[in-house]
Order: sequence, then C-alpha cells, then structure tokens
Amino acid sequence: GDSVTQMEGPVTLSEEAFLTINCTYTATGYPSLFWYVQYPGEGLQLLLKATKADDKGSNKGFEATYRKETTSFHLEKGSVQVSDSAVYFCALVNTNAGKSTFGDGTTLTVKP
Amino acid sequence: EAQVTQNPRYLITVTGKKLTVTCSQNMNHEYMSWYRQDPGLGLRQIYYSMNVEVTDKGDVPEGYKVSRKEKRNFPLILESPSPNQTSLYFCASSTGTFGTEAFFGQGTRLTVV
Repeated sequence: GDSVTQMEGPVTLSEEAFLTINCTYTATGYPSLFWYVQYPGEGLQLLLKATKADDKGSNKGFEATYRKETTSFHLEKGSVQVSDSAVYFCALVNTNAGKSTFGDGTTLTVKP
Repeated sequence: EAQVTQNPRYLITVTGKKLTVTCSQNMNHEYMSWYRQDPGLGLRQIYYSMNVEVTDKGDVPEGYKVSRKEKRNFPLILESPSPNQTSLYFCASSTGTFGTEAFFGQGTRLTVV
C-alpha cells in the first residue's frame, strides 16, 4: 500500500535558520502531494501542494518540489520565524484509490 | 464562512457506551474522511466517503462505523468504545477532484475509560 516517511522530530532551530524536513513516499499511480501544518489546538491546514512531477509548491516562504525520480517532497524554508513553530505533515492522495496517507508529523520549534 | 464542524470537541466516556461524533461541512464537498491522530503514529485514515451513500474503509476501520446519508454530514459511530480508541479525531472534506486540498475540522479529543 501507499506510505509516507517523514524525517523524525522534534526539530529545534534558532530564528532565521534554514529549515529542511524530509519526506519520501511510496505509491502506485501518480499521487498528488501535500504539506499540512497543525498549530497547537487546531486542525490541519494546507501549507502547499504539488500535483505532478517537477511541480514546486510554495506558500509563506515554504517550498517543496515533487521529485518523482527520488519519490521525495522535502519541505524547505530559508529563514524560519518563531511563528513557524508547529507540527508539519507530509501527505499523499492517490487518486486511483481515493485514499489519503499521512506521515507521522514533524514537530518544529523555533527559538528566538 | 467555509468550515468543517465537529462535535463534541471533547468527550470522556466509558467502555462499551455507544457514541457518535458528528461532522458537518458547508462547502458542498463530495469527499469526506475521518482520521485519528496518535502520538508517534501521525494521522491514520479510518473511513472515507466519495459521495452520498458511498463509503470505504481506510487503514484503521476496526471498531468504527460511518454513514453518509446526505452530502454535508459524515458522522463517526463507535458502537462499543474501548480504551484503545482514546485518540484525537479529525474530520476532513474536499471537492474530491485531483489535487484539491482537504479542509479539516478542529478535532475531537475522545477519552475512553
């Protein structure tokens, strides 16, 4: 079946540091890929997405590129802020099956 | 305002006492889904529905039931809850078309004692 493997956390960075959270996937067909963010006490909300190979999703300074050859969708940000502290989930939706699969989540803490 | 509404937000119940967690969306979405979130396990899909009267099992459906009698509602039913169903539950909806995002509810924190 489909699976998503995320970099283990927690991740602690200083403000303005560079962020990378790794995400690799296994899926049949051609899934669409997503990064969701969960702030404390809230539901998940979409951060960015990509629907085909080589697409780059971007939002709020975060970026991720859909790499079919390495089955990866790593999340990056050049300069993190304290307000970026949250849990980040990588996910895929396999349109063939109608199911969605999430990674385990990576907790990011940014210190001033 | 576009939203997915879950109720209740918090629930403590006893083993074996049937309960229902409601989920309603106001975006006319066809696709709805239930997840549970557990520490170290991320989000796992319980059931999903691609349209009215169409439901299918996710990765962890045991001990749960769902129904989709109308487009906006997708209740999660625990006929005989057990302590291993203590978890944080999320409902989500989307248009279901390729590449569209899911909108999540605020979550329901369930404790079964």
